[in-house]
Amino acid sequence: DTGVSQDPRHKITKRGQNVTFRCDPISEHNRLYWYRQTLGQGPEFLTYFQNEAQLEKSRLLSDRFSAERPKGSFSTLEIQRTEQGDSAMYLCASSFKTGASYEQYFGPGTRLTVT
Amino acid sequence: GEDVEQSLFLSVREGDSSVINCTYTDSSSTYLYWYKQEPGAGLQLLTYIFSNMDMKQDQRLTVLLNKKDKHLSLRIADTQTGDSAIYFCAESMSGGYQKVTFGIGTKLQVIP
Repeated sequence: DTGVSQDPRHKITKRGQNVTFRCDPISEHNRLYWYRQTLGQGPEFLTYFQNEAQLEKSRLLSDRFSAERPKGSFSTLEIQRTEQGDSAMYLCASSFKTGASYEQYFGPGTRLTVT
Repeated sequence: GEDVEQSLFLSVREGDSSVINCTYTDSSSTYLYWYKQEPGAGLQLLTYIFSNMDMKQDQRLTVLLNKKDKHLSLRIADTQTGDSAIYFCAESMSGGYQKVTFGIGTKLQVIP
């Protein structure tokens, strides 16, 4: 298993364009999470899925953001009409149960730059 | 609400011990974590501690939890240059089954 993968690793887009990121979790993990990390800050929770069901969305996830996990495997995060404030690292994580804990494994992230 | 605070920067000499401190506000936090982030790399879980524990040791890492003061610390013994990274304190109410709330991160600089 190669761990959590994200694609693309870097994306530069002009303000107003739509972008879509993909996350492939570790294969047996049923939970998948999206976080956003801006420069000099810690990651902030956006949303998470159990299988294909989206169970929680942060208030940070405005109407321009949508996430899907259609078959309970990979997930996509789409940002419509991007704004400069959307520039950040978008991190995906997946988890499984070890004992009483659900350790979250993070991918390398997709760095978005909105010009 | 949930809030995790930590100092921004720590500089130590190679071979010394490093102590990174963190405070959290949510008394219902049941799991507390330390993550490491190296430049250009993803987050790596170093260790975690349950809220009913006071201490956890794992090789060079020692985690101390003072639940009364909501204070968590990470001690790295015999700090090496490879330990230079950003260290995030984080908490969760459900052992990572739901969201994890992160602090701002402490940048550890190890001087050779």
